[in-house]
Amino acid sequence: AQKITQTQPGMFVQEKEAVTLDCTYDTSDPSYGLFWYKQPSSGEMIFLIYQGSYDQQNATEGRYSLNFQKARKSANLVISASQLGDSAMYFCAMRESSRNTGKLIFGQGTTLQVKP
Amino acid sequence: ETGVTQSPTHLIKTRGQQVTLRCSSQSGHNTVSWYQQALGQGPQFIFQYYREEENGRGNFPPRFSGLQFPNYSSELNVNALELDDSALYLCASSDTSGGADEQFFGPGTRLTVL
Repeated sequence: AQKITQTQPGMFVQEKEAVTLDCTYDTSDPSYGLFWYKQPSSGEMIFLIYQGSYDQQNATEGRYSLNFQKARKSANLVISASQLGDSAMYFCAMRESSRNTGKLIFGQGTTLQVKP
Repeated sequence: ETGVTQSPTHLIKTRGQQVTLRCSSQSGHNTVSWYQQALGQGPQFIFQYYREEENGRGNFPPRFSGLQFPNYSSELNVNALELDDSALYLCASSDTSGGADEQFFGPGTRLTVL
């Protein structure tokens, strides 16, 4: 069964330091996409970064990078130079391309708190 | 470019009532997905609509139903509300003719069932 696991319920990081949020996934589909979303207390899910299963390079978007290790089925999010505004809930999600429904499967999330 | 909008932002209903939530997709997006997010949990997929047809459904009972209109906006209807239906309901739109199929989420509707 398809599954996303985020094992860190909460994380703390000092402002300006880097932090890694863990995500592992399980799927039998050879074609899939992995997403990270940020959810502030306001509730809106903000797209951060995407990695396709066939992408050769790790995805990067500004201060966000995705450490994709396909053999280990992990897709960790790295946030560099943390800012106070990065404090939020972070969700890892997967979409299986073959199912053609666009259904996203989400993990339980990790709460990140950035300390000044 | 207008983002995804949802209405209302908050709603309080009593058990057994019916509710309709609305979503306007981002300009140019033809697909709308609905998710239910209980407090402290990740969102759960309810269903997706593509060109006015249901295109995939999660593990939700038939009292959760939806519509998509020709302008790609969408409604989520929930009948016979139960206490466990209290959650944040998120709508996401995407352009399925693209590559990454990135889904853009709206701000959500917080439903409280008393």
